[in-house]
Amino acid sequence: QQQVKQSPQSLIVQKGGISIINCAYENTAFDYFPWYQQFPGKGPALLIAIRPDVSEKKEGRFTISFNKSAKQFSLHIMDSQPGDSATYFCAASFKAAGNKLTFGGGTRVLVKP
Amino acid sequence: DTGVSQNPRHKITKRGQNVTFRCDPISEHNRLYWYRQTLGQGPEFLTYFQNEAQLEKSRLLSDRFSAERPKGSFSTLEIQRTEQGDSAMYLCATPWGDGNTIYFGEGSWLTVV
Repeated sequence: QQQVKQSPQSLIVQKGGISIINCAYENTAFDYFPWYQQFPGKGPALLIAIRPDVSEKKEGRFTISFNKSAKQFSLHIMDSQPGDSATYFCAASFKAAGNKLTFGGGTRVLVKP
Repeated sequence: DTGVSQNPRHKITKRGQNVTFRCDPISEHNRLYWYRQTLGQGPEFLTYFQNEAQLEKSRLLSDRFSAERPKGSFSTLEIQRTEQGDSAMYLCATPWGDGNTIYFGEGSWLTVV
């Protein structure tokens, strides 16, 4: 059972545009929601994370929006750059499960110059 | 540098052979995780350790897989009698700071021919 669903599977955005990736979760026990960025041949790199007591978190050009009642969260990449072209994964975890991460299926983002 | 070193980075082996991957985290955190990632998919949880104790194993971890963390620092993941379906990237991860922030190594790519 996939507990974290991510969409879209891929997206193409022009340089300077906004990339938006959405995730939905089922397990209300989740209490930590990170996003990871992965380049080909590399391991996932932590980008930004949020806890459910906060509705939005911004770090540079990256913003997470969180909707606890809808059990959804999203990543916004503002002013997208070609260097942002990568695969992005949302994930969720909770302490009672050893903080192990459950990942979404990933979104391949291509930023065209 | 995520502070998680994995070796070897790439391994090509014939079906039926045994392979072993090693993970060396810089952090002395008591938890260590193994994940598997196939092409186009998100990482999937395999197992995790709290110090030397293996606390949870995913159903993905068949009896051909064994993981150890003998001194609570480095960890090994062995796959016996490899099958083509084992071809994937094997990722090691450890927490940092508050324990929620999880950092991944660069992964060990396995190709079974």
